[in-house]
This record gives sequence, C-alpha cells and structure tokens, in this order.
Amino acid sequence: QKEVEQDPGPLSVPEGAIVSLNCTYSNSALQYFMWYRQYSRKGPELLMYTYSSGNKEDGRFTAQVDKSSKYISLFIRDSQPSDSATYLCAMKGAYSGAGSYQLTFGKGTKLSVIP
Amino acid sequence: DGGITQSPKYLFRKEGQNVTLSCEQNLNHDAMYWYRQDPGQGLRLIYYSQIVNDFQKGDIAEGYSVSREKKESFPLTVTSAQKNPTAFYLCASTPRGTSDSRDTQYFGPGTRLTVL
Repeated sequence: QKEVEQDPGPLSVPEGAIVSLNCTYSNSALQYFMWYRQYSRKGPELLMYTYSSGNKEDGRFTAQVDKSSKYISLFIRDSQPSDSATYLCAMKGAYSGAGSYQLTFGKGTKLSVIP
Repeated sequence: DGGITQSPKYLFRKEGQNVTLSCEQNLNHDAMYWYRQDPGQGLRLIYYSQIVNDFQKGDIAEGYSVSREKKESFPLTVTSAQKNPTAFYLCASTPRGTSDSRDTQYFGPGTRLTVL
C-alpha cells in the first residue's frame, strides 16, 4: 500500500462549483498536513497547512483533517478558472531527528475550472 | 524580495554531458532539497541538506551530485550516469533543518531539463 494515495484526476468542474480534493494515508505517524497548488510549469506554492484534526479555513479554501480515518480534504468554494492547477497533498511526521523534515507527497490532482 | 530562485528555467543537454542546475535562496533557511517531478509520479526526493557542508541522499540519488558550500546555495549536477534525466527539477527550502517539526517546505520555480 502506498503511503499517500491521491486521485490524479483530471477533475473538471464548472465555474462556481464546490471542489473537493482528497488524500488518504496509511502511516499514523504522519501528523502535519499541507496542500500545495502547482500551476503548469511552475513550482508548487503552499496553500494550506494544518496539524490537527478538524477544519481550517482561508478565504475560499478549507482544509479538513480526519486523523482517525487517515483522510484529508481540500474544499474550494466558488471555484474560479484561476483555480485550474494541480493540487498536491503533502504530509510529515511529528518526530524529531533524521527524516522529520521530509515530506511525503501525493501524486497530485489536476483540476480544471471551466468558465 | 525574499525567495528561492532556480536557473536556468529551461536546459537542454546532449547525452553524455554533465549539467549543473542552480538553486539560490535569500530566506536564510537552513535546509534545502532537490526533487524531481515526472508526469504521473509526483515529487521524488533526490538530495537534501540540513546545514552547510552536509547533505544526504534521498530516494533517487543515483546519477546526481550536490554541494552545499554556502547556506544560500545548493547546486545540483545531473551526471551522464543518470539514465533518464529529462524531467522537471524543483528546489525547496525549510527554515530550520530538524529543530522544528512544524516547518514545511517552500519551492522554487523549477528547471525543466531535456536531454536531446
């Protein structure tokens, strides 16, 4: 079983739709969770960062973590064509020492928002 | 402006040649990383460095080499031993190498390497 599973899509939605992006993970030691947005031929940019179960909201974006189910989600409300990008989930453990800084990435979900 | 710069943006290499990709950051970050991104495979870690004059192999280090002589610079050399070097290469950095597990990584804009 892969450590992080993420549906690669592609996912195509009409403008204004609510988008749900998801990742599952198998290692319960993973405690910090990130979502990156990557536009074509660009580097990933950090979108959301959470380290506890529950929801975190930032504008149109909501990150949700369910550690009991090992499941994280990113919701995008009122989606815009400018949200068209690949979304990568990433996570890391809470332990210190060698390896604690290494991120485990999902493969990314490609999202297209159609005007 | 603070950030991570990578150069060149596009690089073409003939088979058998070594090439060096540049990564510079002015964020005063301790740790730096190199990733390779291929379609459908996500990001794979090549090398990382927690501190100046120290670096460690990642998951796919074969055919690559790095140096970390200055805090702000972490160049990656793709050698002729790398059998399939065509990919998108990303550099990242973290404020504090291992002292704070809450740190996350910030990425540069990437270099697309194509072997002709």
